[in-house]
Amino acid sequence: DVVLTQTPPTLSATIGQSVSISCRSSQSLLHSNGNTYLHWLLQRPGQSPQLLIYLVSRLESGVPNRFSGSGSGTDFTLKISGVEAEDLGVYYCVQGTHAPYTFGAGTKLELK
Amino acid sequence: EVQLVESGGGLVQPGRSLKLSCVASGFTFSNYGMNWIRQAPGKGLEWVAYISSGSSYIYYAETVKGRFTISRDNAKNTLYLQMTSLRSEDTALYYCAPNRFDYWGQGVMVTVSS
Repeated sequence: DVVLTQTPPTLSATIGQSVSISCRSSQSLLHSNGNTYLHWLLQRPGQSPQLLIYLVSRLESGVPNRFSGSGSGTDFTLKISGVEAEDLGVYYCVQGTHAPYTFGAGTKLELK
Repeated sequence: EVQLVESGGGLVQPGRSLKLSCVASGFTFSNYGMNWIRQAPGKGLEWVAYISSGSSYIYYAETVKGRFTISRDNAKNTLYLQMTSLRSEDTALYYCAPNRFDYWGQGVMVTVSS
């Protein structure tokens, strides 16, 4: 099974600070059809998860453009350019290239 | 507006069965693969199962393979998860989501305890 390793597990940031979260895969997430099914989700406290970024770098509709995704193969990054209070919560990467699909363990973003 | 409404959860004894449903609206359900995902109390997200739009492809997490069965009824816009031989470690909030994880319901709680 594909293992997604997210770092750091916890991130402390001030409002306005830019931060990055890494998601590393135990094998390439490039599908034979040319797509890379690596997505990023945010789960705010007490809420269901919401999609932020899909297919590595595509911004989901309605998501602020301070969120961006990058990477390829086995290394992926989510960047928040200027953290806002509403960004607090747990971030997950998830892969849908290789079954069984898998989630990263999560990165908790807290206010410093 | 897209809506996913999960139901069928509750308290069940170890070894018993339970069937979850997820009713979808606001999008063409029959065009999308669907997932079940769960979250144990205080823990992270765990992918459980996937079914393709026409039910041709079905995948399971190793932790539930042989015990859980995913299915769908496209005429009823409904996704199912039949859970058998339930264990305490299956206790979780269960969500359904389309194949891109772009919409989520509120989830349904399953508690396995004697």
